[in-house]
Amino acid sequence: DGGITQSPKYLFRKEGQNVTLSCEQNLNHDAMYWYRQDPGQGLRLIYYSQIVNDFQKGDIAEGYSVSREKKESFPLTVTSAQKNPTAFYLCASRDPYRFGYTFGSGTRLTVV
Amino acid sequence: AQSVTQLDSQVPVFEEAPVELRCNYSSSVSVYLFWYVQYPNQGLQLLLKYLSGSTLVKGINGFEAEFNKSQTSFHLRKPSVHISDTAEYFCAVMDQGGSEKLVFGKGTKLTVNP
Repeated sequence: DGGITQSPKYLFRKEGQNVTLSCEQNLNHDAMYWYRQDPGQGLRLIYYSQIVNDFQKGDIAEGYSVSREKKESFPLTVTSAQKNPTAFYLCASRDPYRFGYTFGSGTRLTVV
Repeated sequence: AQSVTQLDSQVPVFEEAPVELRCNYSSSVSVYLFWYVQYPNQGLQLLLKYLSGSTLVKGINGFEAEFNKSQTSFHLRKPSVHISDTAEYFCAVMDQGGSEKLVFGKGTKLTVNP
């Protein structure tokens, strides 16, 4: 079955360390997105990519970085510059014909 | 830019009662509208979407929503809820012909009690 795989599901890191969250899709979608979810805040867009080797900042890009070297993969790096990195991170891709997003099951990052 | 307001952060109801989750949006252009559901520690699943045509949209799990352009609303309804409907629900908007980014509301936590 086609879908989005995020790994790992839970991630613990020490403050000051960079960490990379994985997002892989086999849906053949061009566009991919990273959202951050905090309780009571909804989903906020971090970065998005509409095509390989191209990406744009979302609303809260500071302290994050991404790459898009392959259509299937859109990893997110949470850098030490991110002041409050503990959150639930969701990756999504967009179906261009159905106007829908498919979401992964998320990665819960805890920085201690 | 678009914005979405979900008017209730929490909605408790009893099993088999009807429920309405309210959503209002703001946009200077025409939009597409969506409702997603999220179960604990999971991703989001599409419930229904309005793209064009009939303003009453039916989705999965017995949910429906009505697009009201004059009131810029897209309220979600279910005539009889089940315990399994307990989850968080997100309303989202996407402008037509733009960047195709989804903008989400802050969510409504629906709790169905026995």
